[in-house]
Amino acid sequence: EPEVTQTPSHQVTQMGQEVILRCVPISNHLYFYWYRQILGQKVEFLVSFYNNEISEKSEIFDDQFSVERPDGSNFTLKIRSTKLEDSAMYFCASRLQVNEQFFGPGTRLTVL
Amino acid sequence: QKEVEQDPGPLSVPEGAIVSLNCTYSNSAFQYFMWYRQYSRKGPELLMYTYSSGNKEDGRFTAQVDKSSKYISLFIRDSQPSDSATYLCAGGYNQGGKLIFGQGTELSVKP
Repeated sequence: EPEVTQTPSHQVTQMGQEVILRCVPISNHLYFYWYRQILGQKVEFLVSFYNNEISEKSEIFDDQFSVERPDGSNFTLKIRSTKLEDSAMYFCASRLQVNEQFFGPGTRLTVL
Repeated sequence: QKEVEQDPGPLSVPEGAIVSLNCTYSNSAFQYFMWYRQYSRKGPELLMYTYSSGNKEDGRFTAQVDKSSKYISLFIRDSQPSDSATYLCAGGYNQGGKLIFGQGTELSVKP
C-alpha cells in the first residue's frame, strides 16, 4: 500500500541553524501539507501546497519557514534559523482529489 | 473558543467493550470530518472520513456526525488491546484545505 515517507526520523540541531525536513508524498497525490505537533499538544497546520505554490499557510509559518517541491517526488520544509520552540514532530501529508489526507510517520526535530 | 474540542482522557475500557469517542466543534463552516488514530510518537493514521450528517461504518468502526449540534463521534465495537492509542478528530472547511485537530483522546483497552 502506498504511503508517505519522511526523512530523517530524528533531527537534532543547534539553535540558529538551518534544517531541511524531507517528505516523499504518495506518488499520484496532488496536494501536500506540513503539520507540526509539539509534545503533548494538538496537531497544528503549517502550510498547504498545490500546483507548485503555497495555497494556504498558518500564522506559525512565518518568514523562517519555506517549502519546496524540487522534483516530481520530494516535498521539503526548510526552517532557516531554528528556535528552541521549533522543537516538535513535523508531519507531512498528501491527498489526491478527495479530502482524505494521509500522513507520514513524522520527523522529530530537537533544537538545542 | 477552541474550534475542535475533545476530552483528552485517558479512557480505559476492558477488551471487547464498545468505545465511544466524542468531539465538539464550533466552526459551522466545517464541511467534512476525519478520525485519525495515533500511536505514541507516530504519524496520524486515517480511520474514517465523513462529510455529512449521519453514520458511516467501516468494520468495527462507526463515525457519526450531527451537524445540528456540532457533535461528532467514533464508536469502536469489540475493542482490542491493539486499539490502544490516541484518537484525533479533525474538521476541514474548504476543498482540500487544512485540517483543524482536536487535542486527542487517549484510549487504553485492557486485556
